[in-house]
Amino acid sequence: QVQLVQSGAEVKKPGASVKVSCKASGYTFTSYYIHWVRQAPGQGLEWMAMINPSGGGSNFPQKFQGRLTLTRDTSTSTVYMELSSLRSDDTAVYYCARDGVELPAARGWLDPWGQGTLVTVSS
Amino acid sequence: EIVLTQSPGTLSLSPGERATLSCRASQSVSSNYLAWFRQKPGQTPSLLIYAASSRATGIPDRFSGSGSGTDFTLTISRLEPEDFAVYYCQQFANSRWTFGQGTRVEI
Repeated sequence: QVQLVQSGAEVKKPGASVKVSCKASGYTFTSYYIHWVRQAPGQGLEWMAMINPSGGGSNFPQKFQGRLTLTRDTSTSTVYMELSSLRSDDTAVYYCARDGVELPAARGWLDPWGQGTLVTVSS
Repeated sequence: EIVLTQSPGTLSLSPGERATLSCRASQSVSSNYLAWFRQKPGQTPSLLIYAASSRATGIPDRFSGSGSGTDFTLTISRLEPEDFAVYYCQQFANSRWTFGQGTRVEI
């Protein structure tokens, strides 16, 4: 079955960087966008970014410009989300999720989701 | 940026009752890009409805989505115990996805 498995929880100090992995299985990795969504404690969902696993191109809002890098390794069917200059308000559970339609389209019908990775930023 | 406003913030109902959740967009949204997600307590979100009215795989027919333009609705015809959760709508425009703030359905 289609599955996304994320790396484990991280604790980082303010100013540091974190890199979270998302390993896909059960489908053709290069055929679907992967999205990243985060959820701060007790808060709602925030869409962060998306990456095209085929070409490697990514798309994310202005608020993450300069701090967010998405990469992928097609040999291991893994995407990586790296967030730098961490602040306390980056403390959240970070999810990867597959788009519901094949490339080149993207619809945001996110299914399935990874299990989530808790990133805690604390001095 | 298009803002999605969900109402009510919290819905207090009993099992077997009908739930009606609203999602209003600040500008017109393409129905192709409107989705609903459910997040049960302590769990990962999961896709319920896509393209405004299509049920995702395995979602029972007590869930239905409707609407167009700026007003969308998720209806749960008869609440089951596992439906007490937080529901989010989501849309895409201008190369960005945004979520509503969520509606909590509680007993």
